[in-house]
Amino acid sequence: EAGVTQFPSHSVIEKGQTVTLRCDPISGHDNLYWYRRVMGKEIKFLLHFVKESKQDESGMPNNRFLAERTGGTYSTLKVQPAELEDSGVYFCASSQKPGRPYEQYFGPGTRLTVT
Amino acid sequence: QQPVQSPQAVILREGEDAVINCSSSKALYSVHWYRQKHGEAPVFLMILLKGGEQKGHEKISASFNEKKQQSSLYLTASQLSYSGTYFCGTGNPFGNEKLTFGTGTRLTIIP
Repeated sequence: EAGVTQFPSHSVIEKGQTVTLRCDPISGHDNLYWYRRVMGKEIKFLLHFVKESKQDESGMPNNRFLAERTGGTYSTLKVQPAELEDSGVYFCASSQKPGRPYEQYFGPGTRLTVT
Repeated sequence: QQPVQSPQAVILREGEDAVINCSSSKALYSVHWYRQKHGEAPVFLMILLKGGEQKGHEKISASFNEKKQQSSLYLTASQLSYSGTYFCGTGNPFGNEKLTFGTGTRLTIIP
């Protein structure tokens, strides 16, 4: 069974540019999460999809961040325009159906550097 | 409020045991443990649920103390492959929602 995949693995952009990160969850997993780890700090929740619906986007920093999940499959996270403080590693995770705590499986992350 | 992990870092020789603690200021419903090696995905180790249910790795054990709002991860007879940063993540009563992670414990195993 393929794991969670993310693309790209690294992205270096200039302040003011736009970047789109993609996540493909494990097939059949309804729950999809985005997290971010800024250098040296904890992994922080950004948002949660159940299928194509946003269940919780309380962790999204501001309106420069836009997440979508087309048809309940893959998800994209767009940052527009990027700022220096957006640098970090963005992780995607997926888990099975809602109803009880299931383990979340993480992707390898996208390292975003904004210069 | 993020859980607090202790110690922040520890260095052990191969074969020694380690205990990593995770304390929360809020009531615990579930605790998820992960290990991350540099540049890789966090790997699921263990989930502990309120009520005593556990699910996870064979060679790693953990405890869940609801009263103390604490969980501990026990690594026995550590191997070189155990090196990495360990994170605990606390869940909420609704399940399948966001995890709130601690700051991590960096474990280094030396030969």
